[in-house]
Amino acid sequence: SAVISQKPSRDICQRGTSLTIQCQVDSQVTMMFWYRQQPGQSLTLIATANQGSEATYESGFVIDKFPISRPNLTFSTLTVSNMSPEDSSIYLCSVNPGQGSIQYFGAGTRLSVL
Amino acid sequence: QQQVKQSPQSLIVQKGGISIINCAYENTAFDYFPWYQQFPGKGPALLIAIRPDVSEKKEGRFTISFNKSAKQFSLHIMDSQPGDSATYFCATRGFSGGSNYKLTFGKGTLLTVNP
Repeated sequence: SAVISQKPSRDICQRGTSLTIQCQVDSQVTMMFWYRQQPGQSLTLIATANQGSEATYESGFVIDKFPISRPNLTFSTLTVSNMSPEDSSIYLCSVNPGQGSIQYFGAGTRLSVL
Repeated sequence: QQQVKQSPQSLIVQKGGISIINCAYENTAFDYFPWYQQFPGKGPALLIAIRPDVSEKKEGRFTISFNKSAKQFSLHIMDSQPGDSATYFCATRGFSGGSNYKLTFGKGTLLTVNP
């Protein structure tokens, strides 16, 4: 299994500012994922972040808006840049530790943009 | 384009009853079909999963039924309990290039089990 810690757990931000979300895993993992979950909605993959390579972004998400860092096998950050109220969402970090196909999720960061 | 269609959107069941949630997919290249359970304020947690080479998988009160020809799979919760009240997401896994893969989620089903 994998234990994922996300910080902050929630935040209220002003329009136009940026927020960096941290994801720490208790074991080394190759694949890390960042998802967005809008209120009462499903999970949408933002990007896949593999250590040692550039993050791969899904359609509709761009690096300038959601820059990702992956400095090592246990840590990643997602920045939500130049925020608008439409960015209000839950942002979830997820990992596959390589033990079969199980993908684990953190508790998420609840972001509100005013 | 939604590749996984989940129904119903919400479901109310009496304690002890059977909860059934259905999902349909389009892409035949998917190779793994998990169900996730999410409680308020928590991240999704894997509940049960199936691969397309079997038609049914049972773990305790939870069963996945898989119909490859119809491209459908469903979650059955037997003897539903109030503690099962949560949002359930089906998902499919497909490869997105190189060795990368990704999960595509259904829209979720809010299950309420009344005591």
